[in-house]
Amino acid sequence: EAGVTQFPSHSVIEKGQTVTLRCDPISGHDNLYWYRRVMGKEIKFLLHFVKESKQDESGMPNNRFLAERTGGTYSTLKVQPAELEDSGVYFCASSSFLVQQGTYGYTFGSGTRLTVV
Amino acid sequence: AQTVTQSQPEMSVQEAETVTLSCTYDTSESNYYLFWYKQPPSRQMILVIRQEAYKQQNATENRFSVNFQKAAKSFSLKISDSQLGDTAMYFCAFMTGTSGSRLTFGEGTQLTVNP
Repeated sequence: EAGVTQFPSHSVIEKGQTVTLRCDPISGHDNLYWYRRVMGKEIKFLLHFVKESKQDESGMPNNRFLAERTGGTYSTLKVQPAELEDSGVYFCASSSFLVQQGTYGYTFGSGTRLTVV
Repeated sequence: AQTVTQSQPEMSVQEAETVTLSCTYDTSESNYYLFWYKQPPSRQMILVIRQEAYKQQNATENRFSVNFQKAAKSFSLKISDSQLGDTAMYFCAFMTGTSGSRLTFGEGTQLTVNP
């Protein structure tokens, strides 16, 4: 089966511009997660979708970030307007069941490296 | 607060040797799960090994094993017979019973295996 696909793999934009990241989860996976790693720090949780609904968006840093998952398939993460501190690697992951018991973890994508200049 | 600390930003090892990556964590919960993930250069992050906190026995997956010390809140990863393909960024993470399915990660350790 195809894995979790993220694109673009790299994006360089100027401060104040808008960028949209996309994640295609594994087909049939209801759970989709966004994480990001900023400047060599730890990877931090952003939000969790169950199908098209936001289950937990407590990690979203501010209202410049908008995540959507229309139809419960792929997801987009829009940053508008981008700031310098938004630079980092944005990871998407999916799972077929709620990993409350930590049974198998998730399947991650390769990430999108965002650079804001 | 729940935190994960990886005190070694970078490590290197010679091919075929053994290396241990350290990880400590902090949580007040008793029910949790621990993970090591690896991310090779420009590739997706994959699960290396996992450990349930209620299990005494240390998890092992082929050349990868953990040393889980619950009282000390320590979860180190040992890689035996290191291979060039083990070169990657390694992240320690955990998930608690009350965090839903959210993972808390450490800052990562960049491991380089030298020929």
